[in-house]
Amino acid sequence: NAGVTQTPKFRILKIGQSMTLQCTQDMNHNYMYWYRQDPGMGLKLIYYSVGAGITDKGEVPNGYNVSRSTTEDFPLRLELAAPSQTSVYFCASSTGAREKLFFGSGTQLSVL
Amino acid sequence: DQQVKQNSPSLSVQEGRISILNCDYTNSMFDYFLWYKKYPAEGPTFLISISSIKDKNEDGRFTVFLNKSAKHLSLHIVPSQPGDSAVYFCAASKGSARQLTFGSGTQLTVLP
Repeated sequence: NAGVTQTPKFRILKIGQSMTLQCTQDMNHNYMYWYRQDPGMGLKLIYYSVGAGITDKGEVPNGYNVSRSTTEDFPLRLELAAPSQTSVYFCASSTGAREKLFFGSGTQLSVL
Repeated sequence: DQQVKQNSPSLSVQEGRISILNCDYTNSMFDYFLWYKKYPAEGPTFLISISSIKDKNEDGRFTVFLNKSAKHLSLHIVPSQPGDSAVYFCAASKGSARQLTFGSGTQLTVLP
């Protein structure tokens, strides 16, 4: 039972570098999400997708891009890393808009 | 502006006693509330939810109470067990919105 798989688990970036956080789910969920969690704060939605080919911005989308070419995969792209993007990133999926979310184990990203 | 607030960053309870975790919200449009539990180095996992048409929902040792007039919800865990030690997040959504608004979390420690 893999569920939602995120890679990598940890990453250190230099300012200005780019990277892609990978997310895959094997539950055939239509909805997928990217959240970030800063220390002492709640999770904030970056982007979400309601199906392949459809994405939309969440609360904090600046500095990020996403794509959804398949039901299973929802990668998050950071183009020009900034220290403000130091955070823990969680990918999640669900069967619908008001259904419970299934989260991956997170990616700890540090931008130095 | 935090629309969902968990004012207690931490709570310690003796094993076997009741744990009460509190959550306040400011947006009267929220009509669906969820609690998630998070262990270190893992993603949050869904615990229990409640719709605004109810004032109570139970699932085993977990009960969520909703007081709409006070814009307050609470999670009761009875009896508390050491395995319940985790960070608990409350979250809220409104209408058909696909975004969840999370609180900042409460670290629960159940002492043996």
